[in-house]
Amino acid sequence: AQRVTQPEKLLSVFKGAPVELKCNYSYSGSPELFWYVQYSRQRLQLLLRHISRESIKGFTADLNKGETSFHLKKPFAQEEDSAMYYCALASYNTDKLIFGTGTRLQVFP
Amino acid sequence: EAGVTQFPSHSVIEKGQTVTLRCDPISGHDNLYWYRRVMGKEIKFLLHFVKESKQDESGMPNNRFLAERTGGTYSTLKVQPAELEDSGVYFCASSPPYGTPDENEQFFGPGTRLTVL
Repeated sequence: AQRVTQPEKLLSVFKGAPVELKCNYSYSGSPELFWYVQYSRQRLQLLLRHISRESIKGFTADLNKGETSFHLKKPFAQEEDSAMYYCALASYNTDKLIFGTGTRLQVFP
Repeated sequence: EAGVTQFPSHSVIEKGQTVTLRCDPISGHDNLYWYRRVMGKEIKFLLHFVKESKQDESGMPNNRFLAERTGGTYSTLKVQPAELEDSGVYFCASSPPYGTPDENEQFFGPGTRLTVL
């Protein structure tokens, strides 16, 4: 079965500290992985996707097929990074997104 | 461009009543999706329209839920009769037609918070 697991409900760090939000997936095949972010009082928006291999707002994520992981990383957290982060998976034969339960990132000054 | 819009933003109804949620996708987006997040759970897929056709409705929980997209523009999601477990946030998303750049990026609306008492 297709599944996305985000083991941490809450991650709290201080400004300037490194951040890693974990995401593991279960899928037999080649999935497309995404990170979505929801800032306070804003709508869900795409942060990055694995096929684009780009860094957005200092965040990067590498697809590790051996470990079936797609962890989100940032070397130096900023207060404005505080938000809810969702890892999501889409298979090539369907467009629906399968979401993890989300991780709330709190960055303290 | 206003992005994906949803109406209403909040709805409070009693068990057994009917509620209709509306979604207006981004102009030109053929693909329209409905998702919902029940309290404490993950965001779950409900269904996917391509223009006016239902491409995938595998996530619809039961026959109390009816989604339509007449004319391939806006979509409605009707819950009739509503039950307590239907409470949650209902999200709509849209994406560009296949074969266009960013065809796989889904743009989300702000959601409709439904409370069934």
